[in-house]
Formats: sequence, structure tokens, C-alpha cells
Amino acid sequence: SFELTQAPSVSVSPGQTASITCSGDKLGDKYACWYQQRPGQSPVLVIYQNTKRPSGIPERFSGSNSGNTATLTISGTQATDEADYFCQAWDSSTAWQVFGGGTKLTVL
Amino acid sequence: EVQLVESGGGLVKPGGSLRLSCAASGFSFSIYSMNWVRRAPGKGLEWVSGISSSSAYIFYADSVKGRFTVSRDNARNSLHLQISTLRADDTATYYCVRDLGSPGPFDYWGQGTLVTVSS
Repeated sequence: SFELTQAPSVSVSPGQTASITCSGDKLGDKYACWYQQRPGQSPVLVIYQNTKRPSGIPERFSGSNSGNTATLTISGTQATDEADYFCQAWDSSTAWQVFGGGTKLTVL
Repeated sequence: EVQLVESGGGLVKPGGSLRLSCAASGFSFSIYSMNWVRRAPGKGLEWVSGISSSSAYIFYADSVKGRFTVSRDNARNSLHLQISTLRADDTATYYCVRDLGSPGPFDYWGQGTLVTVSS
């Protein structure tokens, strides 16, 4: 079955760029999206269709998807960006929505 | 303003049942597919089930197929999840989620309702 793999944790210094990756077989052939979930809050969509930002999401959030890897990039990382980040894609063979295991972003 | 408000969670014994509900407002509920997603303590997000706008298409994750039943009432702008034969690993916060593009992404999430399965 289709699976998405993320590193469990990523650390970044304030003001630096954080890159969070998501890998899956031929993921670049699908649309990837990303969610941010802060502790005690519901997930928020931050990137969809690989590169699009929903209204209200800061420009420092960007996305890419090619080959087997989708990447969420956070430029000028702020303390408020500390959260769990999940990638997601739709597996057309099963009609299932698939989430990556999540990456905890720590802003040191 | 789009609002999704879940209810129905609680403490239930293994093998028991619950019915989760989601009240939707602020958008044309009847034209959107809807989903349930859960997050167990210390774990990641897990898609549970999806239902198309007219209920013509319904999908379940393998982990819940045969035990969970999703339904919707477009006249009442409500989404439901009947969860049965509950196990300890069903303990999670369950989120009602709007599907922007059928399939995905999920653009609006409720606040979640906690289901705890324990004897």
C-alpha cells in the first residue's frame, strides 16, 4: 500500500530556513499537501496542490514536489512555527487519504 | 465563517459503541465531501473515513472497515460516525474535516472529540 515517510524531528534556529521532507513512491505524480498542528490545536492546512498557500498562510511557507519527495520549506522560521507537520496525498488505487507520520519542528 | 463542531465522544469500554456527530455551518454542506480523521495520543494523523456529497461514495481505512459507519444528513448539515466494537487502539481525538477538492485537501477541521476506550 502507498506510504508516506517523514523524519520524526527537525530542529532550526529562529530566522533560519527549515526544510521538512516527505517521501513516497512516485509522490511527484500526485498532489501533496501539508498540515501544521500546534499542541492542543486542530490541524491547519498550510500548503495544498504541492505549492499553493491557503488564504491567511504566511508567504514564508512554501512547498515543492518532484520525483519521490515533497518538501515543505519555512523561511525565516519563527517560534510560533514550532509544531507537528504532516504531509498528505491521495492514493488513487485505494481511494484512501494517506498521511505521513509527522515531523516535530523545534525552533531552538 | 465555516464551523465544524464535533460531539459524542467519551469513555467507553472495549467492545462498546459510540456515535460521533459533526454540525456544520457557514458553507453549503451538501456540495462538499466530508471526512473523519483521528489522532491517537503520541501518534500521527490517521484518515478514518470519507463520504461524498450525496453519500454515493463511501470509503474506510482498513483499520476501521466493518466496525465504523459514516453517514450524513444534508438537510440537517450534519455528519456522523457510528463506531462499534471499539478497541484500545481506537482511543483518539476524532476530527470532522471538510474536503476541498474531492479528494483532498482538507481545508477546514473541527476542534475534535475525544474517544477513550478503556475498561
